[in-house]
Amino acid sequence: QQQVKQSPQSLIVQKGGISIINCAYENTAFDYFPWYQQFPGKGPALLIAIRPDVSEKKEGRFTISFNKSAKQFSLHIMDSQPGDSATYFCAANDRSGTYKYIFGTGTRLKVLA
Amino acid sequence: NAGVMQNPRHLVRRRGQEARLRCSPMKGHSHVYWYRQLPEEGLKFMVYLQKENIIDESGMPKERFSAEFPKEGPSILRIQQVVRGDSAAYFCASSPVGGANNEQFFGPGTRLTVL
Repeated sequence: QQQVKQSPQSLIVQKGGISIINCAYENTAFDYFPWYQQFPGKGPALLIAIRPDVSEKKEGRFTISFNKSAKQFSLHIMDSQPGDSATYFCAANDRSGTYKYIFGTGTRLKVLA
Repeated sequence: NAGVMQNPRHLVRRRGQEARLRCSPMKGHSHVYWYRQLPEEGLKFMVYLQKENIIDESGMPKERFSAEFPKEGPSILRIQQVVRGDSAAYFCASSPVGGANNEQFFGPGTRLTVL
């Protein structure tokens, strides 16, 4: 119940294409869902986040789609660029406890030039 | 406004030695979280602290690991008698508040290698 399942493990996209990364959870106490971007040797950086009272949030080329009934959420990167090549992590914040983050296992994205 | 700072960035220890990792949160942040990332894996929660208090240590091994966040100075994650399995990247994150709005900002991490 404390897991966040993330897929795919790796993804290769052509420049200008759409990258889609999916996450699923079981625990209904999760109520905040951030996405982090991590470059090699660096710490995770917050990209975009959503709460379950909205179904979609868009910031620039990044969009989160949220399906509360299915307990799924996804990150869409439009017009993917080589500079987007990084590892992406979804996470969830458990309001039934101390709001620590539960992270997915990560998706390594490579955008081909 | 400086971000979350961690030092050292890289730490090499021999088995049995002690590792001491430091985290200075962002200015104005009083909540600190420590996470561990094994190679090719996601981040796993270890411990959550507020100034002078451990709030949640459910992810931290019961033996050899300890954490503190004193009134003055950085948060410290201490690993005694390190073993090869402790080799990982250790990240701390800070937040200005706890609870539902605890947006967490991560530091660059300390990469611990145990020989």
